[in-house]
Amino acid sequence: SAVISQKPSRDICQRGTSLTIQCQVDSQVTMMFWYRQQPGQSLTLIATANQGSEATYESGFVIDKFPISRPNLTFSTLTVSNMSPEDSSIYLCSVLSYEQYFGPGTRLTVT
Amino acid sequence: GQQLNQSPQSMFIQEGEDVSMNCTSSSIFNTWLWYKQDPGEGPVLLIALYKAGELTSNGRLTAQFGITRKDSFLNISASIPSDVGIYFCAGRTTQGGSEKLVFGKGTKLTVNP
Repeated sequence: SAVISQKPSRDICQRGTSLTIQCQVDSQVTMMFWYRQQPGQSLTLIATANQGSEATYESGFVIDKFPISRPNLTFSTLTVSNMSPEDSSIYLCSVLSYEQYFGPGTRLTVT
Repeated sequence: GQQLNQSPQSMFIQEGEDVSMNCTSSSIFNTWLWYKQDPGEGPVLLIALYKAGELTSNGRLTAQFGITRKDSFLNISASIPSDVGIYFCAGRTTQGGSEKLVFGKGTKLTVNP
């Protein structure tokens, strides 16, 4: 399995601002994913981030709102831009390392 | 889009009891995964199933990949307080040349000591 860390673990942000979430993996992985989990809900895939190519976004998610970087095989960032209270969620980084594993999540509250 | 129907939504049991939860879909999946999520944490992989009919155990957990490839169940035997959490099923499918996980809505388990 892969060991995944995320920063920050939680944050409270004002509407209109942006937050960048970092994801670090302890081994090189090709496929990384970003998910959103709204309060009391299941996981929804935002995008797939492969190193060396543009992220692929799911329906309902756009690059201007959720820009993603994938500079190498162990690191990725997700930015939540121009935040509104509806963006309050847990954001989870995930990697495919034989199987799919998840980071501890970043709990975001937008006021 | 593809959907997984996970049931029950929640369960309240006494310590020592056995638990069963399942996921069904109208779509075929080539892998079934079961995760557990504790409050404030990310989901942790419990069991992965790769072949129709496969039955796999991990300690007190047992899961099966349905013969039709459209369903899976997870059993927990002799529950203990630390089994409390939300259990998610996930099916892996190939869409547009890439593999993706589709998640159920979760089963919230409460164990009374």
